[in-house]
Amino acid sequence: QLQLQESGPGLVKPSETLSLTCIVSGGSISSRDSQWSWIRQPPGKGLEWIGSIYNGATTNYNPSLNNRVSISVDTSKNHFSLILTSLTAADTAVYYCASRGVVVVTTVSHWYFDLWGRGTLVTVSS
Amino acid sequence: DIQMTQSPSSLSASVGDRVTITCRASQAVSNYLAWFQQKPGKAPKPLIYAASSLQSGVPSKFSASGSGTDFTLTITSLQPEDLATYYCQQYNYFPLTFGGGTKVEI
Repeated sequence: QLQLQESGPGLVKPSETLSLTCIVSGGSISSRDSQWSWIRQPPGKGLEWIGSIYNGATTNYNPSLNNRVSISVDTSKNHFSLILTSLTAADTAVYYCASRGVVVVTTVSHWYFDLWGRGTLVTVSS
Repeated sequence: DIQMTQSPSSLSASVGDRVTITCRASQAVSNYLAWFQQKPGKAPKPLIYAASSLQSGVPSKFSASGSGTDFTLTITSLQPEDLATYYCQQYNYFPLTFGGGTKVEI
């Protein structure tokens, strides 16, 4: 059974770039039909979808992040990554990696977040 | 963006109670809706997909319904372990959006 684990710095300075990796274990990242995704949650607040990548190259990002985000997959290392640039204090959050798996319900495909990492807290502060 | 509005934002109930949470989408999302349970300090856990289909391994005390813009999540026989914040999420349109959450206290 696949498991996801986020990896990256816990503290980043304002204006710098955040780089996070989601390590996929328990199987090959290529074995699952999935949209590999990132979601974040500021302390005490709700969930915000950051973006997803599908088929290794097709990406969708949240426009609220103003083109500061990039998601990629490295099948050789069995992980996918998040890059977020020009950080401010507002980017302080728990960052989750997740898989949007697919289930077919009465011939209709439903892509939903069925697998999550445990999350990693990223603090943006000087 | 599709706004997802949950009500109430918090509720207090007793052990054994039946609890209902509502979620309203700013435009129709068909049945492309999921529900998640998030316990303090933990990652969200999927409960429901396709508006009413129970995720494997989730107890049948959780049920959900709805289509279009109005959805509900019901928890029967509330137990202390159900203390959590519950989120709805639409996945019909990008950007994918979540409701603001409903905190269930016991």
